[in-house]
Amino acid sequence: SDVLDQPLSVSVAPGETARITCGGNNIGTKSVHWYQQKPGQAPVVVIYYDRDRPSGIPERFSGSKSGDTATLTISRVEAGDEADYYCQVWDSNSDRYVFGSGTKVTVL
Amino acid sequence: VHLVESGGGLVQPGESLRVSCVASGFSFSSYVMSWVRQAPGKGLEWVSVISGHGRGTYYGDSVKGRFTISRDNSKNTLYLQMDSLRAEDTAVYFCTKGGTSFRDESDYWGQGTLVTVSS
Repeated sequence: SDVLDQPLSVSVAPGETARITCGGNNIGTKSVHWYQQKPGQAPVVVIYYDRDRPSGIPERFSGSKSGDTATLTISRVEAGDEADYYCQVWDSNSDRYVFGSGTKVTVL
Repeated sequence: VHLVESGGGLVQPGESLRVSCVASGFSFSSYVMSWVRQAPGKGLEWVSVISGHGRGTYYGDSVKGRFTISRDNSKNTLYLQMDSLRAEDTAVYFCTKGGTSFRDESDYWGQGTLVTVSS
């Protein structure tokens, strides 16, 4: 598949938990990376290799994978978390990167 | 780490354009580099990737045969030669730094350069 499946949007109240799923392309066998993109800005990696968090990214961001679904979880959501989120894998069978369709997180 | 793209602009369908990305703050030749684009109001689309030594290159289906990625490690510069441009190539083109493996994440991104293809 050319695109990984993500929900179009997720709405969450401040302080609650947002979960964004990513599926398809047999991602159970691949490493999944997650990016956050705020309006007018370049993307920033928030989770790499399924569950690792870069320095400077709050612990509220976590990643997991079960079967062919990867999940980005944002705990104790803050207004500043409002952004688009994309998952990504490297498909070694076809030598290409595949991005998810993107999920807009809205903080109510 | 700093990535600065340049070379974007307005071109007509069928024309060519080369965008560049000057890198600093890391050992450029050791890392995979990619181009990712984003059409207005749309999601991220991977365009092309090149290995550190430049011998491995791969392309997305939508640009294969029209775009060529290259790098000059002596100048810490990444290039994307875009030929036979189409309206659907209109996008912001981001330069990204990867790791030492294609499986690694893009840990740094430039701010992007806008390419507009229109008559």
